[in-house]
Amino acid sequence: AQRVTQPEKLLSVFKGAPVELKCNYSYSGSPELFWYVQYSRQRLQLLLRHISRESIKGFTADLNKGETSFHLKKPFAQEEDSAMYYCALSGAPGTYKYIFGTGTRLKVLA
Amino acid sequence: EAGVAQSPRYKIIEKRQSVAFWCNPISGHATLYWYQQILGQGPKLLIQFQNNGVVDDSQLPKDRFSAERLKGVDSTLKIQPAKLEDSAVYLCASRRSSSYEQYFGPGTRLTVT
Repeated sequence: AQRVTQPEKLLSVFKGAPVELKCNYSYSGSPELFWYVQYSRQRLQLLLRHISRESIKGFTADLNKGETSFHLKKPFAQEEDSAMYYCALSGAPGTYKYIFGTGTRLKVLA
Repeated sequence: EAGVAQSPRYKIIEKRQSVAFWCNPISGHATLYWYQQILGQGPKLLIQFQNNGVVDDSQLPKDRFSAERLKGVDSTLKIQPAKLEDSAVYLCASRRSSSYEQYFGPGTRLTVT
């Protein structure tokens, strides 16, 4: 079965500290993985796609097929990073039907 | 470009009543999705349209939920009759055919009492 697991509901870090938001997935083929973010009072929006291997707002995520993980990382957290983060998997190629994880709320403390 | 529009933003109804949500996707986006997000959970796909045809409605509770996308633009999601467990945020998203990125609307928060 296809599944996305985000084990932490809440992650609190101090400003300037490293951040790692965990995402594990279950999928038998070659998935596409994404991170979406929802800032307070804003819409859900795309942050990262694993294929593009970009760094957006200082965040990076590497797909580890051996560990079936796609953790989101940032070396130095900023207060404006506080938001809800969702990991999403798209299975069937080209359909972009997302299976979302339950989300992790990141709080960056001053 | 204007974003995905949804209305109403909030709706409170009693169980067994009917409710309808409206979505206007970004112009030119052929693919439209409806998601249900229950409190504390991630969005769950209910139905996916490509133009005015249904691509996937495998997770739509068809005994009470229906959706349509006439003329391949706006879409309506209806619940009839509503149950307490339908309380959730209903998200609409759209995507250009040539892209992987979904653009989400602000959502409609439904409370069933």
